Amino acid sequence: DTEVTQTPKHLVMGMTNKKSLKCEQHMGHRAMYWYKQKAKKPPELMFVYSYEKLSINESVPSRFSPECPNSSLLNLHLHALQPEDSALYLCASSQEYRIYGYTFGSGTRLTVV
Amino acid sequence: GQQLNQSPQSMFIQEGEDVSMNCTSSSIFNTWLWYKQDPGEGPVLLIALYKAGELTSNGRLTAQFGITRKDSFLNISASIPSDVGIYFCAGQLVGDSNYQLIWGAGTKLIIKP
Repeated sequence: DTEVTQTPKHLVMGMTNKKSLKCEQHMGHRAMYWYKQKAKKPPELMFVYSYEKLSINESVPSRFSPECPNSSLLNLHLHALQPEDSALYLCASSQEYRIYGYTFGSGTRLTVV
Repeated sequence: GQQLNQSPQSMFIQEGEDVSMNCTSSSIFNTWLWYKQDPGEGPVLLIALYKAGELTSNGRLTAQFGITRKDSFLNISASIPSDVGIYFCAGQLVGDSNYQLIWGAGTKLIIKP
């Protein structure tokens, strides 16, 4: 299995909703990442987990809360988002942090209304 | 912050033409990566470069790590319709203790009908 699977593919949520994005990989990768991508822009790093511990938080607002329940799973919990948070949210994994052959998922297209 | 200058921003080409794009910076990089992103998908790694002067091919794609370590180019030979998409360069800066990737703004490849 050489894939990173993200669910859901599309999500529409209100500003008072709580939702979660899910990411799963079974490649034995020990680093997992959340990126945010706005239209026609490159991905922006949000969080890095290395060996299930949060290694990097790129000053992301607290309305985004990551969780790594085990080495295969990565969640992003969303609460009280703003319309400007609408974007493509990408999950990626790599063998280790500092090894850059990232495998990206297809992303979750999030719309906040 | 640190920047990569990726050019051109977009290219209109005829099927069968060769394509060239590049990334430059005023800073020195340890690693250069080239990704392709199709609409509605995550980026896919095309080529990774780790040494100054390194020239690497992947099918019709060829990329080089510049000798000054401040630039990289990607060439696509004999373009075909499935080459359409957005190409991103990304690099890891020398001296960055967080080992994070810096991304170019992307080159959008469009094939003229």
